[in-house]
Amino acid sequence: GAVVSQHPSWVICKSGTSVKIECRSLDFQATTMFWYRQFPKQSLMLMATSNEGSKATYEQGVEKDKFLINHASLTLSTLTVTSAHPEDSSFYICSASAGTGVEQYFGPGTRLTVT
Amino acid sequence: LAKTTQPISMDSYEGQEVNITCSHNNIATNDYITWYQQFPSQGPRFIIQGYKTKVTNEVASLFIPADRKSSTLSLPRVSLSDTAVYYCLVGGNTGGFKTIFGAGTRLFVKA
Repeated sequence: GAVVSQHPSWVICKSGTSVKIECRSLDFQATTMFWYRQFPKQSLMLMATSNEGSKATYEQGVEKDKFLINHASLTLSTLTVTSAHPEDSSFYICSASAGTGVEQYFGPGTRLTVT
Repeated sequence: LAKTTQPISMDSYEGQEVNITCSHNNIATNDYITWYQQFPSQGPRFIIQGYKTKVTNEVASLFIPADRKSSTLSLPRVSLSDTAVYYCLVGGNTGGFKTIFGAGTRLFVKA
């Protein structure tokens, strides 16, 4: 099946710094990528949808200036958490779709801890 | 986007068949139904997808009645390793087919 990777798998950063998370589709071209965040014992919350070469579409309540999303190629999307604060600590998950169907392939997730 | 409703949790024993039902009363004509499994600190894993009637693969079956307002994921002979959260998602190809996760069902399989 299609494989999606994320890097790093976990990261610890100090409050006020920025962190970049990469999401890669390894064996297919992803026309659309999605970013989610998940707090402990809660469901995944969609943050934004990005299509290759265009600006991301953010869900209501998600600050686009704080969570910068770039989808520069058909195999790579990045999420940058700017000026991170402890409340940004969460599990961030990306998914990718080839656009030929409705199936999304999920990455393994990135655990962000802001101290 | 169609909203989904699932039981919050279910318990089962090893070797039993588990059926998890999802309600999606406002499903659209072009929506598919997809089920995912998630273990702690991992991304969701695709289980099965269907549009109508019955779909079966090597790990599960998906039953969808004619009105498509609900669906049932059937896991045959569960094992301890099937303890996870199961999500039912409904979405289509229109507008980039973004999907919204519901609360999911926490399945506990006991020995």
